Parts: sequence; C-alpha cells; structure tokens
Amino acid sequence: DTAVSQTPKYLVTQMGNDKSIKCEQNLGHDTMYWYKQDSKKFLKIMFSYNNKELIINETVPNRFSPKSPDKAHLNLHINSLELGDSAVYFCASSPQARVYGYTFGSGTRLTVV
Amino acid sequence: DQQVKQNSPSLSVQEGRISILNCDYTNSMFDYFLWYKKYPAEGPTFLISISSIKDKNEDGRFTVFLNKSAKHLSLHIVPSQPGDSAVYFCAATGSARQLTFGSGTQLTVLP
Repeated sequence: DTAVSQTPKYLVTQMGNDKSIKCEQNLGHDTMYWYKQDSKKFLKIMFSYNNKELIINETVPNRFSPKSPDKAHLNLHINSLELGDSAVYFCASSPQARVYGYTFGSGTRLTVV
Repeated sequence: DQQVKQNSPSLSVQEGRISILNCDYTNSMFDYFLWYKKYPAEGPTFLISISSIKDKNEDGRFTVFLNKSAKHLSLHIVPSQPGDSAVYFCAATGSARQLTFGSGTQLTVLP
C-alpha cells in the first residue's frame, strides 16, 4: 500500500513531445506538491494544490500545467519538452507541511533526448 | 537565491562514530526545520524536526541542534551505522506551507 505513488518511474522522450506524470496519495492529506530535483540536486517546489485549488505556482514555464481532478490526485502535464526539463520530479503530500512534513513519492526520472 | 544551504556535498564516517551534518539558512522568517533522508531511487523520508522555540530535539540516535542567532542547524547521528548511508536534506518552512530544501549531503558510513 504505497502512500504516495507516481507513474511512470522512468520516462525517456524526445524534444518537442508532450508527456504527463501521474501522482496519487491514499493518506487523506489536504495538500499535494510537485518538486523538481535539478542537476545540482536542489529540490525546488513547482506547484502546490490544497483541496483541488492551486495555492502556490512558482516561476515555472507555462509549458508545465498541474491538474488535480480530486484531492487524492495531482498530475503534471508538460508540453513541448525541452532538454532542460530533464530532471527527477517528486510528488508529495502533507496534512500540514509546517508540522508534519511531507510524504514523498519515489520520483519520476524524466530524460529528454 | 539559496535560502537553505548545505555546504558539504559529502561526508564519510567510520561505523560507530558520530556523524555531524550541517545546514545554514538565510531567511529569518523560517521557524520550523526538518531533516529528510533519501536512498537512491526513492523519495525523501522525514527523519526529525525542530521548532524555532527549541534549540535541541532528540529521537533515538538522531539529534538536531538549532542555533537561531547563527541561523545554523546540525544533525548528529550517534552511533553511525552503515544503513545510515544516504543523502540527507535539510529543509525549512515559515508561515507559508512550503518547504525550502538544501542541496543535500551524501553520508557514507564505512564498516
């Protein structure tokens, strides 16, 4: 029973393609996030959804669009993929990040060739 | 603009000895700090946290120390075990429900 599950785990695709990464959590958490771990290993927040509403939208290209059909799901769609999009993308959820911290998924390694 | 910094990308320690991982932050609005541990091909997992009203929090072999005046925190692992080998991320948060992470420190515990 994986608490936060992401699919796929690995994704190799060509420049210019459109792809989606799916995330689901079964913890009943209110808030879900997408983080990107870049080549320098920093984990940087991209988006956050609280009860299906976007509450954080950091400065990311508008080629990235999060979609939350319900509280348990937060998907990430990426249009016109570029080489620089290659990274590991982590989904996470929390009841309250401030106190409880996040529960992360295992990550999706995206490679754009 | 790195608000949370882990200046040591790697650390090697002998089994049974103490591991000390360091973290510095610049944002004085941060008031809660966390450490995460990450194994390869897995997501980070929560390890221990500390509120800014405290200067020490202990959980078994893990102790986090906070020096607010220096904007510095550290994670002590005693005694270190080979299974502790992982990447350790420091993170901080303020009133917004958002964690800001450092770049991580790879800890290797040698048997």
